[in-house]
Amino acid sequence: GESVGLHLPTLSVQEGDNSIINCAYSNSASDYFIWYKQESGKGPQFIIDIRSNMDKRQGQRVTVLLNKTVKHLSLQIAATQPGDSAVYFCAESKGAQKLVFGQGTRLTINP
Amino acid sequence: SAVISQKPSRDICQRGTSLTIQCQVDSQVTMMFWYRQQPGQSLTLIATANQGSEATYESGFVIDKFPISRPNLTFSTLTVSNMSPEDSSIYLCSANQGREQYFGPGTRLTVT
Repeated sequence: GESVGLHLPTLSVQEGDNSIINCAYSNSASDYFIWYKQESGKGPQFIIDIRSNMDKRQGQRVTVLLNKTVKHLSLQIAATQPGDSAVYFCAESKGAQKLVFGQGTRLTINP
Repeated sequence: SAVISQKPSRDICQRGTSLTIQCQVDSQVTMMFWYRQQPGQSLTLIATANQGSEATYESGFVIDKFPISRPNLTFSTLTVSNMSPEDSSIYLCSANQGREQYFGPGTRLTVT
């Protein structure tokens, strides 16, 4: 069956450094990928998405990279700030409808 | 972006009882979704709710346990029936606006 997973369940970075969160997916038919940020007690918040016809997309301080050859997705956060502390989920879908979520990575920021 | 609210935000219920969770979207949306997030885990899709038709349930979830209503394009309810402690979880609704999917804040359910 299809599944989406993450290489690292926790990530600790120094404030100001760049963070890279990785995700592996197994459904080669997926054509849409999303990163969500979930803070404690809140619902997931959309960060950035990418379609399968792209390999890179940039937002404000965030970049998503997609490698379809190895079915790998990453989220890069530049100049990590204390407010970036959260759990980050990747999700994949076919047709931008129902989502399959990955395991989640907890990002903690060291001052 | 769509703004989604849920009621209640949390509840503590006794086993064997049922709880209905409400989800309200601030704009009309075609598809709404219900997810479960068990403590410390990821989100699992329960069902997709379309207005005017029966909900579509994912493997492992059945209508008798999780009946869903979708009376209009801005509202949906999820009922957790005949609850057991294993149903203790966060229940989240979401909706698509364009290709982006937005989530409500969740309902934290504890079954004793």
